[in-house]
Amino acid sequence: NAGVTQTPKFQVLKTGQSMTLQCAQDMNHNSMYWYRQDPGMGLRLIYYSASEGTTDKGEVPNGYNVSRLNKREFSLRLESAAPSQTSVYFCASRPGQGSFIDEQFFGPGTRLTVL
Amino acid sequence: ILNVEQSPQSLHVQEGDSTNFTCSFPSSNFYALHWYRWETAKSPEALFVMTLNGDEKKKGRISATLNTKEGYSYLYIKGSQPEDSATYLCASQTGGSYIPTFGRGTSLIVHP
Repeated sequence: NAGVTQTPKFQVLKTGQSMTLQCAQDMNHNSMYWYRQDPGMGLRLIYYSASEGTTDKGEVPNGYNVSRLNKREFSLRLESAAPSQTSVYFCASRPGQGSFIDEQFFGPGTRLTVL
Repeated sequence: ILNVEQSPQSLHVQEGDSTNFTCSFPSSNFYALHWYRWETAKSPEALFVMTLNGDEKKKGRISATLNTKEGYSYLYIKGSQPEDSATYLCASQTGGSYIPTFGRGTSLIVHP
């Protein structure tokens, strides 16, 4: 099993450009999450998908959109990138099958720089 | 948004030292507390999940305790080794849904 995979690993954008970060998991998990990690800020939730077909905003959703394409894939889109979106982005998943306390499994991260 | 605090922010210890750090969280409507270990250039990996007041968990030289009434958890590392160097994250979860709130982490560096 590959676990949680993210592409790309690194990306540099110019202000105003758009891009989509891809995330996929092969563990048959129901729930998927997007976080950003900034120095001194810890992990902050952008959006999550409790199950296929649903998405909800997290703590810092402004400037982002998401798509739960199917059970495996959860993408994060930046429509018009801004320097404030320079960050490391982590995708995570968890089984979400009847238990509220199961652990999250994280992808390797995407380091995004917006110039 | 819950306020999950971790202290200290960073910690330098010598190989062989034992160490501990703290995660504090709001105790009202508490549901679960997670600890993750996050090595540089890797992804966070789960260490423990605790739900009950007085819970204690252990994995090798690492252990954790939970006090839900006063809203804190301690993570202990006995006989630290350089490979223990990592950031240790805690995440608190309230009842009703799985939206954990992460603390900012404690960065541990173990010097040989």
